[in-house]
Amino acid sequence: SQQGEEDPQALSIQEGENATMNCSYKTSINNLQWYRQNSGRGLVHLILIRSNEREKHSGRLRVTLDTSKKSSSLLITASRAADTASYFCATPRSNDYKLSFGAGTTVTVRA
Amino acid sequence: DTGVSQNPRHKITKRGQNVTFRCDPISEHNRLYWYRQTLGQGPEFLTYFQNEAQLEKSRLLSDRFSAERPKGSFSTLEIQRTEQGDSAMYLCASRPSAYGQGRGELFFGEGSRLTVL
Repeated sequence: SQQGEEDPQALSIQEGENATMNCSYKTSINNLQWYRQNSGRGLVHLILIRSNEREKHSGRLRVTLDTSKKSSSLLITASRAADTASYFCATPRSNDYKLSFGAGTTVTVRA
Repeated sequence: DTGVSQNPRHKITKRGQNVTFRCDPISEHNRLYWYRQTLGQGPEFLTYFQNEAQLEKSRLLSDRFSAERPKGSFSTLEIQRTEQGDSAMYLCASRPSAYGQGRGELFFGEGSRLTVL
């Protein structure tokens, strides 16, 4: 079974718009990570937020974490066609950091 | 540092045949993971190694699946007597066993896509 669940499953936006996707998880975490996957390719790590952090930025990415609600959000600002991809949240198991992934949000950015 | 390398990238086989995938992790990474991903789903954990020791196997890894990492460097994933349900992307990832504060990411290869006819 998968630890995280992303919402929505799919998102279609116009270039220049913002994209927001959410992740809910079930158990206590040490950190939460977001990955991007282009079609047919491997996953690329985007950002990690620790359990004692509430918000983190990296370029056009903004991640929030609410441990009381067991949820996180990923915001991509000023989207570009190159942002078209699937985005996954992942949480590590505390004893050995094995990652569990959600089913992902597929983002399509229209030119 | 050339990243995580997986071969072959694509494999088409007939049901009942055996297939083997290879993963070369980043050289200083002693943890290596195998994941399976089917269309529209996130990666599902299969197994992982700390150096040459296989520390955990998922229940997804039936007796037809075997993974090795003989010298703690590259790893192989073999599927015997393939079934159509084995069709998926097989992803390899690696990481150091210990990170500094605030890190924990996995480095993924490009995957090996298996199609069983």
